[in-house]
Amino acid sequence: DAGVTQSPTHLIKTRGQQVTLRCSPKSGHDTVSWYQQALGQGPQFIFQYYEEEERQRGNFPDRFSGHQFPNYSSELNVNALLLGDSALYLCASSQGGTDGNTIYFGEGSWLTVV
Amino acid sequence: GDSVTQMEGPVTLSEEAFLTINCTYTATGYPSLFWYVQYPGEGLQLLLKATKADDKGSNKGFEATYRKETTSFHLEKGSVQVSDSAVYFCALIPSGYSTLTFGKGTMLLVSP
Repeated sequence: DAGVTQSPTHLIKTRGQQVTLRCSPKSGHDTVSWYQQALGQGPQFIFQYYEEEERQRGNFPDRFSGHQFPNYSSELNVNALLLGDSALYLCASSQGGTDGNTIYFGEGSWLTVV
Repeated sequence: GDSVTQMEGPVTLSEEAFLTINCTYTATGYPSLFWYVQYPGEGLQLLLKATKADDKGSNKGFEATYRKETTSFHLEKGSVQVSDSAVYFCALIPSGYSTLTFGKGTMLLVSP
């Protein structure tokens, strides 16, 4: 059973460009959350998707947007990239509830903005 | 708002030493508390959790007790190994929510 899978694993973008990161949740999970982890910091919550709707959002600008597909996979889009967007982007999946034991993380996508 | 504060690292220990990583939190109500571990170049793995006051979470020799009176969830291990070298994150989920609030992480370095 595959866990949470993310792609790409590493990418380099130029300031002002746009990027799309992808996530497939663990089998049986219907909720996807995205986190940003800057170097040397803890992950920060970006947003959560459930039933193809954004259910909750953290303190991130509108440049950060997302989508969830009918098969529960998800995309994170970042427009007008800034140097400060360089970070590890983590996808987490769960099964709709609040029990932390069911929250699984992917390996992450390393984004470098130059 | 909700927050988690961890002791700053790196924590450097010799193999078989006793480990304590302090974690305190600020949250309304009764959050669930977690420790996650991140090995170099990898994602986050859940290490242990506790969902109510006085609960003790444990896994792989690590333990942490949910102390409501001191709003703490300190991580302990009696005898660390070189393979325990990683970054450890304390985190909480507020009551009624399903998203994690993390501390800044504490790097643990264990030497032979």
